Amino acid sequence: EVQLVESGGGLVQPGRSLRLSCTGSGFSFRDYTMSWFRQAPGKGLEWVGFIKSKPYGGTPEYAASVKGRFAISRDDSKSIVYLQMNSLDTEDTAVYYCSRDEYGSGTPQGDYWGQGTLVTVSS
Amino acid sequence: DIVMTQSPDSLTVSLGERATINCKSSQTVLHSSFNNKNYLGWYQQKPGQPPKLLISWASTRESGVPDRFSGAGSGTDFTLTISSLQAEDVAVYYCQQYLSTPRTFGQGTRVEV
Repeated sequence: EVQLVESGGGLVQPGRSLRLSCTGSGFSFRDYTMSWFRQAPGKGLEWVGFIKSKPYGGTPEYAASVKGRFAISRDDSKSIVYLQMNSLDTEDTAVYYCSRDEYGSGTPQGDYWGQGTLVTVSS
Repeated sequence: DIVMTQSPDSLTVSLGERATINCKSSQTVLHSSFNNKNYLGWYQQKPGQPPKLLISWASTRESGVPDRFSGAGSGTDFTLTISSLQAEDVAVYYCQQYLSTPRTFGQGTRVEV
């Protein structure tokens, strides 16, 4: 059974940093590009970025709203994808989800999602 | 960026009746030079839950999704139809393109009974 589990959320002050993790199981993690999404309270879904699988370069891409502040990395030996969030702003308050991406795999975009982890940026 | 626009923003439908949601992209999401597939998905999201993929490639129903859900369209214009609304279908529905980055979503359509 495919599972994605996010962790690391919590309350953080503006300007500080936080690292989220997403652990995958039940599939060949290394073969998939992995995406991060977020959803602010009462708002719609926003793509944060993804990191390609190693066969496709293993490189990240980011939404304009987080580029230069957030960094995505992966450890395929542990089946974990990370989201390092720096210089956090109140606008970054959201539930953060990880999901499998279609890029390079041909499997349906967003076929599996984690349950999400809440990040609250507040003083 | 590809802008996705859904209509309507909200929809009230009687039980057993049809619900139709529209999604329009600012550029084609048909990858005609590669696999001739529309890179368009539909999600259902209920309160407190992650999105659930209903339809991929514009018209392929995911395993386990009831057949009252169907997707249609190509290029820039797409629809999600719920043929006979059930109480458990009350949710917000999103379309998303995955032809290019940034991955972008429509603003969502709230379906109520």
